[in-house]
Amino acid sequence: DAKTTQPPSMDCAEGRAANLPCNHSTISGNEYVYWYRQIHSQGPQYIIHGLKNNETNEMASLIITEDRKSSTLILPHATLRDTAVYYCIVRVGGAGGGADGLTFGKGTHLIIQP
Amino acid sequence: NAGVTQTPKFQVLKTGQSMTLQCAQDMNHNSMYWYRQDPGMGLRLIYYSASEGTTDKGEVPNGYNVSRLNKREFSLRLESAAPSQTSVYFCATSRGQPQHFGDGTRLSIL
Repeated sequence: DAKTTQPPSMDCAEGRAANLPCNHSTISGNEYVYWYRQIHSQGPQYIIHGLKNNETNEMASLIITEDRKSSTLILPHATLRDTAVYYCIVRVGGAGGGADGLTFGKGTHLIIQP
Repeated sequence: NAGVTQTPKFQVLKTGQSMTLQCAQDMNHNSMYWYRQDPGMGLRLIYYSASEGTTDKGEVPNGYNVSRLNKREFSLRLESAAPSQTSVYFCATSRGQPQHFGDGTRLSIL
C-alpha cells in the first residue's frame, strides 16, 4: 500500500469548515483513498473513500487532485464532536478490495475550538 | 459500534497468565481482523482472517494466536502474557472495504 503523509495536528473553530490534507505521491492506479477517524477511546470509524472523482456523503467531502498525489477531507461545519484523530489510508479498495489489513499511520489530531 | 462486539472491555492480567479476547459480528462479513494500538500510535495488524477457516499473520503476530471459530466469531489468544502486550485491542470486520471496528478491549499486563 502507498504511504501517506499527514500533519500531526490541526485546529479549527467550531462552525467553520475543517480541511485535512493528505499526501500520497506514490499511489497506484488501482488504489483508493480512505479516511477514518478515531474519537478518543473508541474504535476507528469509516468516513469516506474515493478513487479519482470527488466524493461527498453525509459526514464529509473528499477532494482528490487530478494527479491523485494528494487529497483533502472536508468537514463542512465542524462541531466539538468532530475532535478526533483522522487517518488517511491508501489501498486497493472497493467491493473487490483486498481482505488484508489496513496500515494506519499516526494521523492528524483535529481539535475543534469552541 | 453496532455489529462488532468485543469482550471483555477491560482486563488486567499478571505476567505469564493466558487469556482469550473474543470478537463477534452480526454483519455477515467474510473478513475479520485483530489490531493493537499503543499510546500515541496508529493501529497495527496482528492477524486477519479473509474467510471462515483461514487465518494469516499481520505486522505484529508474535505472542498471539487466533481462531476463526465460525463466520461470526474471531478470537485472539495470549498464551503467556507479557507487559509489552499491554495495549488496546480492536477487532474489525469487512466485506472487501471499508472495515468496521469494535470499541476495543483495554488490556493491562502487570
